[in-house]
Amino acid sequence: GIQVEQSPPDLILQEGANSTLRCNFSDSVNNLQWFHQNPWGQLINLFYIPSGTKQNGRLSATTVATERYSLLYISSSQTTDSGVYFCASLPPGGTSYGKLTFGQGTILTVHP
Amino acid sequence: GAVVSQHPSRVICKSGTSVKIECRSLDFQATTMFWYRQFPKKSLMLMATSNEGSKATYEQGVEKDKFLINHASLTLSTLTVTSAHPEDSSFYICAPWTGYGYTFGSGTRLTVV
Repeated sequence: GIQVEQSPPDLILQEGANSTLRCNFSDSVNNLQWFHQNPWGQLINLFYIPSGTKQNGRLSATTVATERYSLLYISSSQTTDSGVYFCASLPPGGTSYGKLTFGQGTILTVHP
Repeated sequence: GAVVSQHPSRVICKSGTSVKIECRSLDFQATTMFWYRQFPKKSLMLMATSNEGSKATYEQGVEKDKFLINHASLTLSTLTVTSAHPEDSSFYICAPWTGYGYTFGSGTRLTVV
């Protein structure tokens, strides 16, 4: 199956700093998404971004499908950004919904 | 929209007992439900996929007789961990398909003592 690798595994920031999280995938993907899991375990869908760039407030994401990677940018980080960030994807040729394969996640800690 | 209620959020049970986890879609109908398991500081691993009114499809290595999934209606799916053992302790998350995207329950932290 498809492999999804994320880096870095851990990231510690001071409030106000910027950061870039990376997601590499082993094959062409059908449905690249970024999620944030807060410290209480709730998963929130941040972006659905099979290609191109999207922005939502201080967060933005870029996927270069031809080179099999996606980036999540967090600007002016806040303590509430802490948690685990996952990218996930469906395998190529999948239907519009199905079995998401998650990366191992990046644990982000933002200190005040 | 796409509100999901997962209950209980936390449960502690004794070895050998069974625990039922409920996942309700409150404002939409979920024809497909995904159940994930997450170990501490680890990623989410898909356990099974269920479609309303059908038997669940389990991923390789997941014991279907231990993790019973019922998806009898479009708004309720349940996961029952039968004869629980300490190694079943984990964080379980439901993820109903909303029709246009994924949404996730808030998770159930199961501790078997």
